[in-house]
Amino acid sequence: QLVESGGGLVQPGGSLRLSCAASGFSFNTYWMSWVRQAPGKGLEWVANIKQDGRDKRYVDSVKGRFAISRDSASNSLYLQMNNLRAEDTAVYYCARPHCTSTSCSFWFDPWGQGTQVTVSS
Amino acid sequence: DIQMTQSPSSLSASVGDRVTITCRASQDIKSWVVWYQQKPEKAPKSLIYAASTLQTGVPSRFSGSGSGTDFTLTISSLQPEDFATYYCQQYNSYPLTFGQGTRLEIK
Repeated sequence: QLVESGGGLVQPGGSLRLSCAASGFSFNTYWMSWVRQAPGKGLEWVANIKQDGRDKRYVDSVKGRFAISRDSASNSLYLQMNNLRAEDTAVYYCARPHCTSTSCSFWFDPWGQGTQVTVSS
Repeated sequence: DIQMTQSPSSLSASVGDRVTITCRASQDIKSWVVWYQQKPEKAPKSLIYAASTLQTGVPSRFSGSGSGTDFTLTISSLQPEDFATYYCQQYNSYPLTFGQGTRLEIK
């Protein structure tokens, strides 16, 4: 199970930190991801982080502004979002890539319920 | 970046109909495509991965096919609970990209 929190209303240029609490699986053995969906729009992958936190990937539109991180002690995933723009307004989903004992494929199951981020003055 | 183009963008159909949704990739992605179903205000749910492998628990009326650049999702006999939006996603390379979605509505 994945449960996101931390969304809300923030002004342009502001910051927000999203959290995702993972349970029911061995968090340390999975890559983890954030995916977003703007209002009435499609899905957009945002970021991935490897099991040990040393490999991180981002969509170009958030590079330099967003930072993905994780904490194995608390089975938590984070997304620090800085310098937010109106176009970052979306529901943000925490999602788990599909991993076996030997490799990971970056399609997602399960997903959290999402947390709404609204960037507006 | 790999562009994923779905067609149609929307579709009206009746219960019992056979429906096919197409996804075209802008370059060869082998079989690295997944299909999701999303209902309003809910998170997406995976249906088919690796182009044609049915996810556990998904009804057998859903099937997928294709490789390279052209992929299809077929629902053999629409049920009331199948009316939703469907997305394809490629996981061949970064950035991971989704199709724009196909909204399946009741006729």
